[in-house]
Amino acid sequence: QVNLLQSGAALVKPGASVKLSCKASGYTFTDYYIHWVKQSHGKSLEWIGYINPNSDYTNYNEKFKSKATLTVDKSTNTAYMELSRLTSEDSATYYCTIVVYYGLGFAYWGQGTLVTVSS
Amino acid sequence: NTVMTQSPTSMFISVGDRVTMNCKASQNVGTNVDWYQQKTGQSPKLLIYGASNRYTGVPDRFTGSGSGTDFTLTISNMQAEDLAVYYCLQYNYNPWTFGGGTKLELK
Repeated sequence: QVNLLQSGAALVKPGASVKLSCKASGYTFTDYYIHWVKQSHGKSLEWIGYINPNSDYTNYNEKFKSKATLTVDKSTNTAYMELSRLTSEDSATYYCTIVVYYGLGFAYWGQGTLVTVSS
Repeated sequence: NTVMTQSPTSMFISVGDRVTMNCKASQNVGTNVDWYQQKTGQSPKLLIYGASNRYTGVPDRFTGSGSGTDFTLTISNMQAEDLAVYYCLQYNYNPWTFGGGTKLELK
C-alpha cells in the first residue's frame, strides 16, 4: 500500500535553512507528482508546489518561490523540500502528498513534519 | 489568485443532523474542486474529488455538488466520527488554493 513517511520535527534558528524529507513506498516513485502543503498552527492549508519525480520539473506557488526548493532522489524514493531564510512565519506543519492522476485529488498524505523556528 | 470562501466557519451540530457547508470560488473553476476532512492531530483525508465524486471508502452520507463558483458538501445523518474541519480545494488555476475551513462541533 502507498505510504509517505516524513522526517521528524525540526527546531531551527531564525535565518537558518531546513531540509524536510518524504520517503515514498508502495508504488513506482516516478509515476506520481509529489506536492507539498503548509499548515500553520490552527490555520488553513496552503499549497506550496509540486515536483515531477520523473523529470524533476517543478511548479511553485509564487508565494513560496523564494522560500522552498523541491527535489527528489530517485535512488531512495525520497522527495525533499528545503526551506531557506527561516522566520517565525515559517513555523508550521508541512505535508507531502501525491496526486495519482490529475483530477483525483490528494489521495495519500504523509504524517506531516512540524517545523518550529525559534532562537 | 482564486479565493475559496467557505461558510460557515463553524457549526454546532447534533448526531443525526443533516449538515450542509458551502465553498464559493472567486472565479469559475469548473468542477475542479475537492473536499478534505481533517481531524485534530491528523493529516487531511480526501472525501470528494471533481466536485461530486466520492473517494474510495468514503461513506455515502458524504455528498459533494456544484460547479462553476458554488460548491456544497452535505453530510446526511451526521455521526460523531465526522467531527472535524472540512476544507475545499480548487485545482483549476495555479496556485491551487484551499478554503479557510468549516469546523464541526457538537452542540
